[in-house]
Amino acid sequence: DSGVTQTPKHLITATGQRVTLRCSPRSGDLSVYWYQQSLDQGLQFLIQYYNGEERAKGNILERFSAQQFPDLHSELNLSSLELGDSALYFCASSSRTGDNSPLHFGNGTRLTVT
Amino acid sequence: GDSVTQMEGPVTLSEEAFLTINCTYTATGYPSLFWYVQYPGEGLQLLLKATKADDKGSNKGFEATYRKETTSFHLEKGSVQVSDSAVYFCALSPAGSARQLTFGSGTQLTVLP
Repeated sequence: DSGVTQTPKHLITATGQRVTLRCSPRSGDLSVYWYQQSLDQGLQFLIQYYNGEERAKGNILERFSAQQFPDLHSELNLSSLELGDSALYFCASSSRTGDNSPLHFGNGTRLTVT
Repeated sequence: GDSVTQMEGPVTLSEEAFLTINCTYTATGYPSLFWYVQYPGEGLQLLLKATKADDKGSNKGFEATYRKETTSFHLEKGSVQVSDSAVYFCALSPAGSARQLTFGSGTQLTVLP
């Protein structure tokens, strides 16, 4: 058990809808990262937060947004969903940023857009 | 930009066979290199890492050596077990950056008894 909790485990929704994915990092970890794993694109970095502030952006679409709250949990919001957004979304956390502390991944949220 | 190229799978081996999964990378400077493993229904777990040239990462019988001259970080294990069946990802993070990992496409390994 990595200590990173993601909810829900599975989500099925229709095109055009909006969903929110939630992540609770390991106790004490300040950094949260979101990754998307799809069959065609593989594992892609989306966005990183550190202690409530956005730290880095990767290949995140404008329809997607995220935030990290004062209690350090994070939410990834996906809107105007398209079939191609179907993927496994992972959250990871680490104790700090820019050092050698490893990333700890949650078990992911599987999103299916129909 | 940075990229990681992994040997395509799937790979099927018999128990106690020797494993090699090739990984090469393209990056500026001196990235850190990682191998992650993903078991069915689970998230990725760090298997091993190396942060500078000629470093050897090792864990659970797996090894990989950071080769700057060939830009490679091949994963090896002398004798695989059925429990090693999983998907293996090679990844890099740029030197001096946050943990924005760039992953390879993953290699599915199946070990038969």
